[in-house]
Amino acid sequence: GENVEQHPSTLSVQEGDSAVIKCTYSDSASNYFPWYKQELGKRPQLIIDIRSNVGEKKDQRIAVTLNKTAKHFSLHITETQPEDSAVYFCAASGTGRRALTFGSGTRLQVQP
Amino acid sequence: GAVVSQHPSRVICKSGTSVKIECRSLDFQATTMFWYRQFPKKSLMLMATSNEGSKATYEQGVEKDKFLINHASLTLSTLTVTSAHPEDSSFYICSASSPLLGLGVDTQYFGPGTRLTVL
Repeated sequence: GENVEQHPSTLSVQEGDSAVIKCTYSDSASNYFPWYKQELGKRPQLIIDIRSNVGEKKDQRIAVTLNKTAKHFSLHITETQPEDSAVYFCAASGTGRRALTFGSGTRLQVQP
Repeated sequence: GAVVSQHPSRVICKSGTSVKIECRSLDFQATTMFWYRQFPKKSLMLMATSNEGSKATYEQGVEKDKFLINHASLTLSTLTVTSAHPEDSSFYICSASSPLLGLGVDTQYFGPGTRLTVL
């Protein structure tokens, strides 16, 4: 089955700096890679996703890159703000397995 | 659009009792619903995949007789934790997806979760 690894587990940055979170996946059949933000006790919220037919996607301060050959994808947050502080999860799924396999999560703390 | 609700948000029960959790898609018809379990400071672990009108597909290690899933309609799935024990205490979250949303068959929207505490 699919295995998704996520790094780092914790990340502390200064307000205004950039943050990068990286994930690798094992199943070459995976073709959908969403990123979720989860605040304490709340539901995961989809912040951006990418499908395997593109290599990069951007939405304001958030971008995701995908390297299918290396089987890794990354989340980039620029100009971080304190409200970006949360746990971020990457995930992967494919046509053969529609359920998401999640990474272990990254706790991002943005220091004002 | 794409709102998913869960009820109850929090439940405390005695060991040995059964608890039912409802997951509803409020503004779309969900062809597939998923049930996840999340321990404190941990990731989401898939328990089962549920398609409307058919039996749920359980992940390895998840007891189907203990975690009963029913997906009777395109807007409602239920998870019943039978004979609950303290080790079943966890945060249970459902998600729903539908190709009819036009956002891709894989896009999942999550409910707010149910925190179960078994005494």
